[in-house]
Amino acid sequence: GIQVEQSPPDLILQEGANSTLRCNFSDSVNNLQWFHQNPWGQLINLFYIPSGTKQNGRLSATTVATERYSLLYISSSQTTDSGVYFCAVDAGGTSYGKLTFGQGTILTVHP
Amino acid sequence: DVKVTQSSRYLVKRTGEKVFLECVQDMDHENMFWYRQDPGLGLRLIYFSYDVKMKEKGDIPEGYSVSREKKERFSLILESASTNQTSMYLCASSLSAGTTYLEQYFGPGTRLTVT
Repeated sequence: GIQVEQSPPDLILQEGANSTLRCNFSDSVNNLQWFHQNPWGQLINLFYIPSGTKQNGRLSATTVATERYSLLYISSSQTTDSGVYFCAVDAGGTSYGKLTFGQGTILTVHP
Repeated sequence: DVKVTQSSRYLVKRTGEKVFLECVQDMDHENMFWYRQDPGLGLRLIYFSYDVKMKEKGDIPEGYSVSREKKERFSLILESASTNQTSMYLCASSLSAGTTYLEQYFGPGTRLTVT
């Protein structure tokens, strides 16, 4: 099946810093989503981005489907950005919309 | 806004008990999913449903069954709970556009402990 790799696995920042999280996937995808998992376990939708670039406030994402990667940019980070960020892909075909998740990037933002 | 709710945030059950986890979505989504999340193993799909009374096995269906009698509700059933089913369970739903599955929205999760 499709493989999803995220980097870096851990990231520690000071408040106000910028960061880039990367997601590589091993095959073509129908869909790609970025999530933030908060300390209570809830997965918050950040972006639905099978291709192209989107922005939402301090966050933006770019997916280059032909090169099989996606990037999540966080600017002017805040302590509330802490948590785990997941990339997940739908490989299409017989996957029935199943999302395959990467292992996540653990982000810690210090005040 | 899409809302996906799950019946319990925390649940403690004994080995051998029958356990029901309920998930309800309010956006008329045809697709619903059950995942479990474990440290080191990430999120894995248990079962999926693309219509009322329809179901498909995911990657790890053993020890689980599901029920979808109404479009908005998708239940995960542990027929005889075991300690290796202690986990975080996450429900999700989505729409389809033709053969393309659209954005999935997740519920808050249920942390199940089997003792």
